[in-house]
Amino acid sequence: QQPVQSPQAVILREGEDAVINCSSSKALYSVHWYRQKHGEAPVFLMILLKGGEQKGHEKISASFNEKKQQSSLYLTASQLSYSGTYFCGIYFAGGTSYGKLTFGQGTILTVHP
Amino acid sequence: GAGVSQSPRYKVTKRGQDVALRCDPISGHVSLYWYRQALGQGPEFLTYFNYEAQQDKSGLPNDRFSAERPEGSISTLTIQRTEQRDSAMYRCASSLDRLAGPGELFFGEGSRLTVL
Repeated sequence: QQPVQSPQAVILREGEDAVINCSSSKALYSVHWYRQKHGEAPVFLMILLKGGEQKGHEKISASFNEKKQQSSLYLTASQLSYSGTYFCGIYFAGGTSYGKLTFGQGTILTVHP
Repeated sequence: GAGVSQSPRYKVTKRGQDVALRCDPISGHVSLYWYRQALGQGPEFLTYFNYEAQQDKSGLPNDRFSAERPEGSISTLTIQRTEQRDSAMYRCASSLDRLAGPGELFFGEGSRLTVL
């Protein structure tokens, strides 16, 4: 039931764009994106709700495709500060637990000057 | 403090000993979560509380693990008779309220447990 993230790692130069995907085999209610820098705690980026619109956070945006049970995170004109590991966390529809987020294995993003 | 506070930050213990990990959430946050994170992996859900009520403990690996939040604020995760496989980063998170599902989680810096 763990979501699958792709790619596992991506290397960029400053200013380049990247897309990180998160897929689930079960029906999703919401997708949550976090970024974690080395040695630090995960930091919240955004939540996408079922039936919701594409959300944005500066030059980072995301979409939620309900039919495909997939979310994509778009990083535009990447900056050095974008480097880190990106995790998607999914909350399953119809679940009995209202607090359980199941995280993917992460995508390591490295931005070089 | 302004953020989620966890203690101890590092704990080294011998196999068979009990350990208690403490979490002090952001003031006013209703929900509190415990996650475990292995190196290079995403956080793994253990349990969560809404106020003092433990709503879901399905992620606790076995009965050596327990958690409490008696007054709806500070929480303690206890691991009895520790084993080497328990070694990991244990992270606490809190959120302001509960929507239809978890909201924005604020993670603490974690407690790194090493069992020798």
